[in-house]
Amino acid sequence: KQEVTQIPAALSVPEGENLVLNCSFTDSAIYNLQWFRQDPGKGLTSLLLIQSSQREQTSGRLNASLDKSSGRSTLYIAASQPGDSATYLCAVSSGTSYGKLTFGQGTILTVHP
Amino acid sequence: DAGITQSPRHKVTETGTPVTLRCHQTENHRYMYWYRQDPGHGLRLIHYSYGVKDTDKGEVSDGYSVSRSKTEDFLLTLESATSSQTSVYFCAIRPGQNTEAFFGQGTRLTVV
Repeated sequence: KQEVTQIPAALSVPEGENLVLNCSFTDSAIYNLQWFRQDPGKGLTSLLLIQSSQREQTSGRLNASLDKSSGRSTLYIAASQPGDSATYLCAVSSGTSYGKLTFGQGTILTVHP
Repeated sequence: DAGITQSPRHKVTETGTPVTLRCHQTENHRYMYWYRQDPGHGLRLIHYSYGVKDTDKGEVSDGYSVSRSKTEDFLLTLESATSSQTSVYFCAIRPGQNTEAFFGQGTRLTVV
């Protein structure tokens, strides 16, 4: 059974700092990995999707990497801003798929001015 | 935002009553999913659909049923609501199984 772990569970940083969020998964036979952002009381917003054949994806100040063989992904956020404060979730599609996602518990990020 | 509408957005119901949540999409995507989100458990898959009338169980399907009679609508039914089904329910859609997933805004359900 696929299990996804996110470290750290919570992170507080000053504005302007570069930071890294970590995601690990137990079964490396994944189809893809997706990073989401969730604001309090809101739905999930897709940030980046990395296919199993890719090593990284970039969108603006965000860069996600994937090392499938070691079961790890990182989300790098450059020049953090208070507006980046949210919960960040990673999720993998694996197994019999049909696009089903297995989620980590998330990292709660606080960026203070 | 992806064209996903969940209704109702909030509901309070009594134990033992039936409840139906609706997910409506305007994207004509093939795949639709129901997840629940609970503190300490994260998001877990309840049921999913890979086409009209094609549905299957997820990780936490006990006490839930689904139906998809049209591409755009995926209904989640709690036949007899219990307090353990108090949760936030999210609908998600994907055009293909290896494409980006998009989520609705969620339905907060409280069973008293």
